[in-house]
Amino acid sequence: GQQLNQSPQSMFIQEGEDVSMNCTSSSIFNTWLWYKQDPGEGPVLLIALYKAGELTSNGRLTAQFGITRKDSFLNISASIPSDVGIYFCAGQGRGSNYQLIWGAGTKLIIKP
Amino acid sequence: NAGVTQTPKFQVLKTGQSMTLQCAQDMNHEYMSWYRQDPGMGLRLIHYSVGAGITDQGEVPNGYNVSRSTTEDFPLRLLSAAPSQTSVYFCASTNNRGDYYGYTFGSGTRLTVV
Repeated sequence: GQQLNQSPQSMFIQEGEDVSMNCTSSSIFNTWLWYKQDPGEGPVLLIALYKAGELTSNGRLTAQFGITRKDSFLNISASIPSDVGIYFCAGQGRGSNYQLIWGAGTKLIIKP
Repeated sequence: NAGVTQTPKFQVLKTGQSMTLQCAQDMNHEYMSWYRQDPGMGLRLIHYSVGAGITDQGEVPNGYNVSRSTTEDFPLRLLSAAPSQTSVYFCASTNNRGDYYGYTFGSGTRLTVV
């Protein structure tokens, strides 16, 4: 079946640093989504991507839909303490009846 | 607008007990789903529904039942709880608007089976 590899599994960063994480798939996706999960809460949608090559920003966050349609990355610029949490990528293929394939998550931790 | 509401937020069960996790949404979303989240494994789909009266199995359906009698509600039933079902459970919903699949999640139910 389809699988998503998300990396890195965790990141320890200093406040102010830029962050980069990515997801790769064994199959082609038509939609890539990036979510953030705060402790004790459900994931919240950050960015949605619908076209190969698409580059979309949401404040300090930028995500791209890979040209091969098998990968996506998320960048966070000038990280701040409230950026901590778990970031998930999710992909959806055509005809999958709303279903998403999820990455295992990247846990972002700010070094004190 | 409450979004997706899950109850209870925490639950401890003994092995063999049954219970129902409640999920309700007030956004008139046609699609609803249940996920479980375990450390290092991301979100795994248990069951989903594309509308009232229609349900189907996801990736890990064993030990769980669902029903969808109304658009708003999508309860998840654990038939005979097992320690392997200790997890955090999320309900999510979405509406089909072209290619938009931005789910709205509830805040989760943390279940421990002892």
